[in-house]
Amino acid sequence: QSALTQPASVSGSPGQSITISCTGTSSDLGSYNLVSWYHQHPAKAPKLLIYEGNKRPSGVSNRFSGSKSGNTASLTISGLQAEDEADYYCCSYAGSSTYVFGTGTKVTVL
Amino acid sequence: QVTLKESGPVLVKPTETLTLTCTVSGFSLSNARMGVAWIRQPPGKALEWLAHIFSGDEKSYSTSLKTRLTISKDTSKSHVVLTMTDMDPVDTATYYCARMTTGSYVNSYYFDSWGQGTLVTVSS
Repeated sequence: QSALTQPASVSGSPGQSITISCTGTSSDLGSYNLVSWYHQHPAKAPKLLIYEGNKRPSGVSNRFSGSKSGNTASLTISGLQAEDEADYYCCSYAGSSTYVFGTGTKVTVL
Repeated sequence: QVTLKESGPVLVKPTETLTLTCTVSGFSLSNARMGVAWIRQPPGKALEWLAHIFSGDEKSYSTSLKTRLTISKDTSKSHVVLTMTDMDPVDTATYYCARMTTGSYVNSYYFDSWGQGTLVTVSS
């Protein structure tokens, strides 16, 4: 299982929209629409943002949205806010009851 | 309120076996819709799924680490235990346990609650 590929960093100004990509293979992300997204603030535990590709848990802002096309999933943050500055990770079911995380993306709010 | 809390040694020596315990509250380990996973994160690096266990005692392990990992649970104590043998300095990481909740589809699980994590350092 190789980690899913994410850009190391993405930045944007307050109010802008940014998109984080997450690329896998036909053996994991491409075969299942079972992608979840998490963000992690410094020295904190990760927090669930999106599951099953585009569903938000209760309490998560609708500024976060997910999508998938082929072997690539995406997380879009609209109306970027200072509090969105964090590390973001995608995760996909990889078959045979295993999971794989992405390499992580650091989001900077300019 | 769902909580998970990891406990175990902060320092282990190379070749030793690490034993971590996750104590959960706010849900039962016998809940058919839930499981518990162990996930680790080396300092400054990405998350890595290690293993998980479900209510029916179904277990799954990372392919690259499966020979070194054992996961088990004690439902009466609300404990999930992970052991990792033959520890190496590269295993230095924060180890998290997380609740897995089932989604709408087959094999759909996601990590919806996390413990605070416990930093384990491997050094002689």
